[in-house]
Amino acid sequence: AQSVTQPDIHITVSEGASLELRCNYSYGATPYLFWYVQSPGQGLQLLLKYFSGDTLVQGIKGFEAEFKRSQSSFNLRKPSVHWSDAAEYFCAVGAHLNQAGTALIFGKGTTLSVSS
Amino acid sequence: GAVVSQHPSRVICKSGTSVKIECRSLDFQATTMFWYRQFPKKSLMLMATSNEGSKATYEQGVEKDKFLINHASLTLSTLTVTSAHPEDSSFYICSAPDPSGSLGYTFGSGTRLTVV
Repeated sequence: AQSVTQPDIHITVSEGASLELRCNYSYGATPYLFWYVQSPGQGLQLLLKYFSGDTLVQGIKGFEAEFKRSQSSFNLRKPSVHWSDAAEYFCAVGAHLNQAGTALIFGKGTTLSVSS
Repeated sequence: GAVVSQHPSRVICKSGTSVKIECRSLDFQATTMFWYRQFPKKSLMLMATSNEGSKATYEQGVEKDKFLINHASLTLSTLTVTSAHPEDSSFYICSAPDPSGSLGYTFGSGTRLTVV
């Protein structure tokens, strides 16, 4: 079955500290992987995506993620967290874009709190 | 880039009434639209997939008579919550495959439905 697992429901990080949010997926076809961020009451903002090529992808706001096929993982990282990064983070997996009729599957999300 | 405009952003309705949520693709033709529902502090759950000119495909457990989806044109998909009850209160988000392929998917800004 296709699924996305985000093992950490809630993470608290000190401002300025590094961050890693975990994501594991189970997908039958070549996965397209995404990380989104959502602030309270807001819609989704795309942080970064992986389609193919270099397995280390850079995104907005200083985020990066690494695709590891052998571990079925796509963990999100940031070297120095800012208070404004506090939000809900979702990992998602989708099918190849030629299969545009396939919806994204989302993980349950990780809530990031930033302490001063 | 491709934009999906979702309206209203927030709606409060009385129990027993119907509410329509619209998603318009502003600068592209969306043959497919995905509808998600998000409970507070929960992940996005796919409700249904609509395709222009054909019946929507509903996910298991979603009442098709309660959540009416219409995709009558290539730029408009609507979700109507019929005979709304407080348990239908939720955040609803639409999404379409990004036609350029660069983003993967583009999302509406979401609709916060509160049924009183």
